[in-house]
Amino acid sequence: EAQVTQNPRYLITVTGKKLTVTCSQNMNHEYMSWYRQDPGLGLRQIYYSMNVEVTDKGDVPEGYKVSRKEKRNFPLILESPSPNQTSLYFCASSFGQGVNTGELFFGEGSRLTVL
Amino acid sequence: AQSVTQLDSQVPVFEEAPVELRCNYSSSVSVYLFWYVQYPNQGLQLLLKYLSGSTLVKGINGFEAEFNKSQTSFHLRKPSVHISDTAEYFCAVSPSGGSYIPTFGRGTSLIVHP
Repeated sequence: EAQVTQNPRYLITVTGKKLTVTCSQNMNHEYMSWYRQDPGLGLRQIYYSMNVEVTDKGDVPEGYKVSRKEKRNFPLILESPSPNQTSLYFCASSFGQGVNTGELFFGEGSRLTVL
Repeated sequence: AQSVTQLDSQVPVFEEAPVELRCNYSSSVSVYLFWYVQYPNQGLQLLLKYLSGSTLVKGINGFEAEFNKSQTSFHLRKPSVHISDTAEYFCAVSPSGGSYIPTFGRGTSLIVHP
């Protein structure tokens, strides 16, 4: 089954404790992206990756890191989480250039609470 | 660059009534258009998309949308809603050439009352 898998789905952590949210897709997609969803603000893009070893900042990259060492994986790293990073996070993927229309395939979401 | 405006943050409606969720966009280039639905505690899934051709697009669960190029709109409609349609709906656009990175609206919460 074609899917985007995120882990963990739920996490409660404390300020400053480094954490990683994993994202994996099995559709051989070149494009991957991270969003955060907050009430009243919709979806805001954190980082995206056009292909392996190519990443770029989205609209709200501060406090986050990403890496794209393999095509299927795109982890989101919070080196020192703060309470304002409490949010619902989504990973999404898409086909690469040439066949891409911008249609995204989303994971189920990871709800993060930073105390 | 493009932008998307969803004119209503919340739309309450009674079951079996018709509904329209509004979406307007601005872009200096041609675009592809999408509606996504997010049911409670789930990720987003594609409802329908306009790439080219007929401006009336039909999607899943009885929804449809009409692309109006002159009014730069892509409103979502359903003639008769069900309780199960209660969800968050997102409109998105992406440029049809070059960068395909989509831009999302802020979402419209559809609340269907019995």
